[in-house]
Parts: sequence; C-alpha cells; structure tokens
Amino acid sequence: QQQVKQSPQSLIVQKGGISIINCAYENTAFDYFPWYQQFPGKGPALLIAIRPDVSEKKEGRFTISFNKSAKQFSLHIMDSQPGDSATYFCAASSAGGGADGLTFGKGTHLIIQP
Amino acid sequence: ETGVTQSPTHLIKTRGQQVTLRCSSQSGHNTVSWYQQALGQGPQFIFQYYREEENGRGNFPPRFSGLQFPNYSSELNVNALELDDSALYLCASGKQGARETQYFGPGTRLLVL
Repeated sequence: QQQVKQSPQSLIVQKGGISIINCAYENTAFDYFPWYQQFPGKGPALLIAIRPDVSEKKEGRFTISFNKSAKQFSLHIMDSQPGDSATYFCAASSAGGGADGLTFGKGTHLIIQP
Repeated sequence: ETGVTQSPTHLIKTRGQQVTLRCSSQSGHNTVSWYQQALGQGPQFIFQYYREEENGRGNFPPRFSGLQFPNYSSELNVNALELDDSALYLCASGKQGARETQYFGPGTRLLVL
C-alpha cells in the first residue's frame, strides 16, 4: 500500500520557469511533511518541510503549499535553474511510536533546460 | 555534505550470502535509521535505532537486522540475500524527536547476483 503518491514522475521546465510537484497522502496520522532533493550518487538532502498547522512555507525559491482537508501538499520551485535538475521526493511521518521513519513518494525527475 | 558516512560504497554478493553495511553518524546525533532505495523508487524505511535498541521498523522481514553502538555508529545486516535485495542502502542519523535533523549518508550500492 503506497501511502504517499507523487506526481509527475518526470518534469521538464525551462530556465526561469516554475516547477510544481504534487503529493497526496492517506494516513491522517502524518504530521510532518518534508521534501528531499537527491543528486546522482548522493543521499537525499532535506530541502524544506512543513507541519499541518500552516498552509504554506517559503524558503528562498522553494515553497510548500499544504491542504490538510484534501490531504495534499506540493513543492513549487520559482525561477528554476539548471542546478535544480535532480530527483525530488516528498515524504511524510507521524510522531507516534517513537521512531521517526519517513514514508517517501516514488520521486520526480526534474530537468531544467537552459 | 552531511557528516554521515557509509561503507563500503559498492558491494557485490551472491544470492544466499550475508552482508554487513556500516554507517557513522553525524556528531551530536543519537538515532540512526536505515532505508532501502530500489532503482527508480523512493527510499523505504527499514528500521530505526535509539539508545542501541530498535525503536521502530518498516515492512521488512527479520533477516534484516541492525546494531547501534555506544558511539552511535551502526550496522545493517542482511542474511540469506535475495536478488530483490539489490538496492541503494541509505543510513540517516538524527536527534530523537527532532525529525528535521535527519541527515542521509551517500549510501551503499548492493548488487546481489
């Protein structure tokens, strides 16, 4: 059972454009929603994260929008640059149970064309 | 670059063998989690260790086991390797209760033939 669904699988955006990646979750116990960026040969790196008590969080060119009622959240990359070309993963976790295990989406391969 | 290191970087094993992967946590971190990332997929949570005990586990069989040492380094052991175990194995260290502190290492690429 896939608890976090991510779309699209791949995305091509022109330099300077806006990249948008969407995720939907099923488990209402999730209370932490991070986005990770992964380059080839590297581990995932935390980009930005949000908790369900806010609807939007912005850090530089990266913005998370969160819709609790729809159980959806999205990543917007403004003024996309070729250096943003990477695989992006949304994830979610719940605080209960002691462990902080993350449930990841399947990833979006983003290409920014110069 | 995070302070999380993993060894070896690559490994080739035969079906039925056993493998041990190692992780060194970032200084100041007291939890370590292991994830399996199949090609083209997102990482899947295997388990987490805190205070040298397993305190959470994903949907993985008992042949996946681990250890956390007093210096917070960690091992992932996989027995009776299967072809489907071929994947990138990621270690993430963090601070208990502070999920935004989870930092991933570069991973170990395991190929089972």
